[in-house]
Amino acid sequence: AQSVTQPDIHITVSEGASLELRCNYSYGATPYLFWYVQSPGQGLQLLLKYFSGDTLVQGIKGFEAEFKRSQSSFNLRKPSVHWSDAAEYFCVLTGGGNKLTFGTGTQLKVEL
Amino acid sequence: EAGVTQFPSHSVIEKGQTVTLRCDPISGHDNLYWYRRVMGKEIKFLLHFVKESKQDESGMPNNRFLAERTGGTYSTLKVQPAELEDSGVYFCASSQSSYNSPLHFGNGTRLTVT
Repeated sequence: AQSVTQPDIHITVSEGASLELRCNYSYGATPYLFWYVQSPGQGLQLLLKYFSGDTLVQGIKGFEAEFKRSQSSFNLRKPSVHWSDAAEYFCVLTGGGNKLTFGTGTQLKVEL
Repeated sequence: EAGVTQFPSHSVIEKGQTVTLRCDPISGHDNLYWYRRVMGKEIKFLLHFVKESKQDESGMPNNRFLAERTGGTYSTLKVQPAELEDSGVYFCASSQSSYNSPLHFGNGTRLTVT
């Protein structure tokens, strides 16, 4: 069975600091991986996706993620966090279709 | 383009009552999905429509839940009778293709059963 683990439920960073959100997956083949974000009162927005090719993928809002097959990880990074980045972030896996498997989410708080 | 819209945004009902959630997908999107997040848990797949047909309903929790998509446009998800454990946020999403096509999510309906 496929699964996604986000080990950090809550993370607090200072504005301007760097950010890394962890994601580990379990899947028997090459996964398709996504990061979604949900800001307060909003729907889920796609930040970036990895299907194949370059293991470092760039997304919107200055985010990037790196696929590491050997570690079964797909961590999300941003070099400098803005107050507007405060939201809940979800790592998501699929085998190719749109029946998505979500992680439990990481709530990001940004201190000014 | 207009995004995926869901109605209502919030619903509070008593145990045993009936609630109907509505989702309007992005125009032209044949694929429509329902997902649910119960308190403290991950977001989970409920079902997938292709036009008006149910492609996959493996995530529907039990027969108290009925989803329809008459005419292949908007969809409804009815819970009858509602139980306490049905409380959560219900998300609808749509996509052009069912494979490697990004999902566009609505803002969700927060359902509270008291």
